[in-house]
Amino acid sequence: DAGITQSPRYKITETGRQVTLMCHQTWSHSYMFWYRQDLGHGLRLIYYSAAADITDKGEVPDGYVVSRSKTENFPLTLESATRSQTSVYFCASSESGLGANVLTFGAGSRLTVL
Amino acid sequence: AQRVTQPEKLLSVFKGAPVELKCNYSYSGSPELFWYVQYSRQRLQLLLRHISRESIKGFTADLNKGETSFHLKKPFAQEEDSAMYYCALSTGGFKTIFGAGTRLFVKA
Repeated sequence: DAGITQSPRYKITETGRQVTLMCHQTWSHSYMFWYRQDLGHGLRLIYYSAAADITDKGEVPDGYVVSRSKTENFPLTLESATRSQTSVYFCASSESGLGANVLTFGAGSRLTVL
Repeated sequence: AQRVTQPEKLLSVFKGAPVELKCNYSYSGSPELFWYVQYSRQRLQLLLRHISRESIKGFTADLNKGETSFHLKKPFAQEEDSAMYYCALSTGGFKTIFGAGTRLFVKA
């Protein structure tokens, strides 16, 4: 299916475990982003990527790692999950050029850290 | 520092009443502003962007650089407008930051 897909949609894990959230887009958009959504904070940018092998930190990068070996994939890894990382995570992409800055979002991944 | 402020966490209006969702931003450069909406059980999606200067679903938003505001307005609210609304600022480098969001509830 065309679009941007996230997996898993729901995940429960324990403190200290490693978790990877996957994001895949089929448009060949240059830019990809990871946000977390928390009540009272809205969406906060964790990491973003301008192209394959180019990533940069956002507002709240601590405790997260990203990679982008292929244009279409942008996984987010929590190396040692903490309870404060319980959140809904959104992946987004945007094209370059005239359509740049308009974000298209995935359905979200709800992560609970016990 | 770049910042987007949405002062109201919750806004409740009656159907047919005007609605205004407030957004103020802080940015020293030339801003590009957006409103995104998240309806129940749907994905977050773009509602409108200031450079388009268009009306979507009856909503409009005008960029006021003097007041650094980008308020979202609709003259007659509908029940289907009930949703979470986020104001967003693109600061260049293709990075977008969001406000905390305003939940709009339109009562019958």
